[in-house]
Amino acid sequence: EDQVTQSPEALRLQEGESSSLNCSYTVSGLRGLFWYRQDPGKGPEFLFTLYSAGEEKEKERLKATLTKKESFLHITAPKPEDSATYLCAVQAGRNFNKFYFGSGTKLNVKP
Amino acid sequence: DGGITQSPKYLFRKEGQNVTLSCEQNLNHDAMYWYRQDPGQGLRLIYYSQIVNDFQKGDIAEGYSVSREKKESFPLTVTSAQKNPTAFYLCASTPSGGTDTQYFGPGTRLTVL
Repeated sequence: EDQVTQSPEALRLQEGESSSLNCSYTVSGLRGLFWYRQDPGKGPEFLFTLYSAGEEKEKERLKATLTKKESFLHITAPKPEDSATYLCAVQAGRNFNKFYFGSGTKLNVKP
Repeated sequence: DGGITQSPKYLFRKEGQNVTLSCEQNLNHDAMYWYRQDPGQGLRLIYYSQIVNDFQKGDIAEGYSVSREKKESFPLTVTSAQKNPTAFYLCASTPSGGTDTQYFGPGTRLTVL
């Protein structure tokens, strides 16, 4: 069964304390892996798309990496404004319209 | 500004009533989607549409209906047959049915009283 699992469910960091969020997936025929940021009561905001193992993308304090089984979202020297829920989604198989979402990691960065 | 709009932001409904959630996009995207989000769970696909006048059921379509009469509009009706409709509803779109990033609207929070 195609599945996306994110860990940890929640993460509390001190400002400046770097860490990583994990997204592991078991799907057939990966077409793309997507990272989103979601603030409370709002729609997900697109961050990155990764297509193949070994690919990396960066944006400010965030860096996303991809292997054949998982993706990491590295957060370097986080700030309180990075507090949000981070969602991972995978597009796979022949059905282009099927996106599998993880349940998210809720990040809280304390000043 | 290009984007996806959803209205209303908050919606209250009495049990037994149907209610329609609006989703409009001016991105010229072909594909549109409706998801439901519950606390602590991933997004679950309700319906999607790749082209006008065509749509497909997702994983949790029971109790919901949609229409796609215009490229830019994809309204979702939550019917009285939906047993647990209280949730956060998200509309999304992609340029085509290929490997494209989904972009999301701001969401509608539906509460059944």
